[in-house]
Amino acid sequence: GESVGLHLPTLSVQEGDNSIINCAYSNSASDYFIWYKQESGKGPQFIIDIRSNMDKRQGQRVTVLLNKTVKHLSLQIAATQPGDSAVYFCAENMYSGGGADGLTFGKGTHLIIQP
Amino acid sequence: DTEVTQTPKHLVMGMTNKKSLKCEQHMGHRAMYWYKQKAKKPPELMFVYSYEKLSINESVPSRFSPECPNSSLLNLHLHALQPEDSALYLCASSQGLAGVGEQYFGPGTRLTVT
Repeated sequence: GESVGLHLPTLSVQEGDNSIINCAYSNSASDYFIWYKQESGKGPQFIIDIRSNMDKRQGQRVTVLLNKTVKHLSLQIAATQPGDSAVYFCAENMYSGGGADGLTFGKGTHLIIQP
Repeated sequence: DTEVTQTPKHLVMGMTNKKSLKCEQHMGHRAMYWYKQKAKKPPELMFVYSYEKLSINESVPSRFSPECPNSSLLNLHLHALQPEDSALYLCASSQGLAGVGEQYFGPGTRLTVT
């Protein structure tokens, strides 16, 4: 079954505001999490990742927070711009010790930017 | 070069046809993946190749046959598909080292089975 999920299918924000996209995961053994952005007609694009030994990681305009106690992941986008409109997926990778592992994706949140 | 390329971009095939999807990367990655994505759904893992060997098959029907001719190329051979197999097929690659998970995705092949 699916071990990563999202709370909201659509999130609408005003341009310039901050956006927060949430994700819940159920597999406590997962050790690596990624956020991807997917624009219409394109493949997923890496945004930011975080390992289970961290609780926060910052990139350019983006921050990922990991709360292992409640198995919750969030993506914060500062000063949202029209180009941020896309579907955002969280994904988890449980390192099985065998080398490369596939990713399990959450359902996705469609971020809509209002002018 | 941080690009994964996929050909063709679009493919329409009948249920009796045989076709192949191709994927290429030149990042020196040793792990390559096939995912299937239906409309408005997340990508779902199909196959994983690690160091040119098939390491994960997520119970995919045999009408999908993957092949990894070398470390830069990944093919997906299609035969006797069903209309419900219509989807976006995504290829990805990663370094393949244990515990390193970031995967780079190609733009996908939009497949329509008639």
